[in-house]
Amino acid sequence: AQSVSQHNHHVILSEAASLELGCNYSYGGTVNLFWYVQYPGQHLQLLLKYFSGDPLVKGIKGFEAEFIKSKFSFNLRKPSVQWSDTAEYFCALRNQAGTALIFGKGTTLSVSS
Amino acid sequence: DTAVSQTPKYLVTQMGNDKSIKCEQNLGHDTMYWYKQDSKKFLKIMFSYNNKELIINETVPNRFSPKSPDKAHLNLHINSLELGDSAVYFCASSPGGQGSYEQYFGPGTRLTVT
Repeated sequence: AQSVSQHNHHVILSEAASLELGCNYSYGGTVNLFWYVQYPGQHLQLLLKYFSGDPLVKGIKGFEAEFIKSKFSFNLRKPSVQWSDTAEYFCALRNQAGTALIFGKGTTLSVSS
Repeated sequence: DTAVSQTPKYLVTQMGNDKSIKCEQNLGHDTMYWYKQDSKKFLKIMFSYNNKELIINETVPNRFSPKSPDKAHLNLHINSLELGDSAVYFCASSPGGQGSYEQYFGPGTRLTVT
């Protein structure tokens, strides 16, 4: 069965600190991988996605993620967080034959100014 | 020009009632979805429709019935509401059933059953 694990439940950082959120998935075939962000009271927005090609993908707002196939990982990074990055972050996968996204349980990021 | 819209945004109702949530997308996508986000913010697929045909029906009580009058709309009807149905329901759409693409989410409907 496919699954997504996000290791960090709640991350608390000060502004300008670097961020790395872990995401591991379980699926043996080709996958599409995503990071979505949900700001307080808002809907899900796509931060970045990996379909194929360069395993280092860049998204919006200075976020990037690296797909490491051998580790089944797709960790999200940002060199310097801002207070406005406070949100819930979801890693998700979809296999090529499937349609629906399978989400991790999310990581709450709190950034203090 | 909202891409995926849902109505209502908030819905408060009593146990036992029947309610509907509407979703519309103006992206010309073929596939639409309903996801449920529980109180712990965990998101899980409920249904998926491709061109008005049901293609995913996860383990959801049969009190939940999706209806797709056309490929731009996917409504969710819930009968005999229970306390455990309280959640945020997100509609989403995507270009097709398979292949590499992203999904676009609506703003969510927060359902509170009292």
